[in-house]
Amino acid sequence: SQQGEEDPQALSIQEGENATMNCSYKTSINNLQWYRQNSGRGLVHLILIRSNEREKHSGRLRVTLDTSKKSSSLLITASRAADTASYFCATDKGYSGNTPLVFGKGTRLSVIA
Amino acid sequence: SAVISQKPSRDICQRGTSLTIQCQVDSQVTMMFWYRQQPGQSLTLIATANQGSEATYESGFVIDKFPISRPNLTFSTLTVSNMSPEDSSIYLCSVEDPFGGTEAFFGQGTRLTVV
Repeated sequence: SQQGEEDPQALSIQEGENATMNCSYKTSINNLQWYRQNSGRGLVHLILIRSNEREKHSGRLRVTLDTSKKSSSLLITASRAADTASYFCATDKGYSGNTPLVFGKGTRLSVIA
Repeated sequence: SAVISQKPSRDICQRGTSLTIQCQVDSQVTMMFWYRQQPGQSLTLIATANQGSEATYESGFVIDKFPISRPNLTFSTLTVSNMSPEDSSIYLCSVEDPFGGTEAFFGQGTRLTVV
């Protein structure tokens, strides 16, 4: 079953604006990851935040994690047309070993030039 | 990191036929994962493929419909059998970091259309 739930489902912004996407999950996790998917192709890993971290930055990306609320947000600053894609959060199942990821429903981001 | 070659990238198939999707990884990995992504939806795990043992299927997916092979540590196939239009989806294979990280790597996906 899907663990992550993203909102909004779709987001349209102007180039240069910031885009914020939110994700909620249901069970305990070891870490939460964000992935990007261009036009229904393979997913690309963007950033990982561990359960004992609250905020992480990578370039124009900022991720927060609130384990008490079981939620995370992904902020893309100074967006570009090339950021247009679908973004998914993904969680593990909270135990060690090679566990498959559970993906949220995703946010379709459109950045208009 | 891991690089996955997945093929075919897309196919249009007649209902009632079968399609086999292949994934080749450039490193040895313990587990490979197969996902389905229906149009406009998120990824749903079909099964986990271990080398040398039967694949483990998620609820709602059965071996007769989605047989999986895992002959070695770098290769796996997923077959979509007796296809119907409802099987039209993107199918993706994935592996975790072969060097112990938690990042997952994906093939480029197979876009299947059943007519």
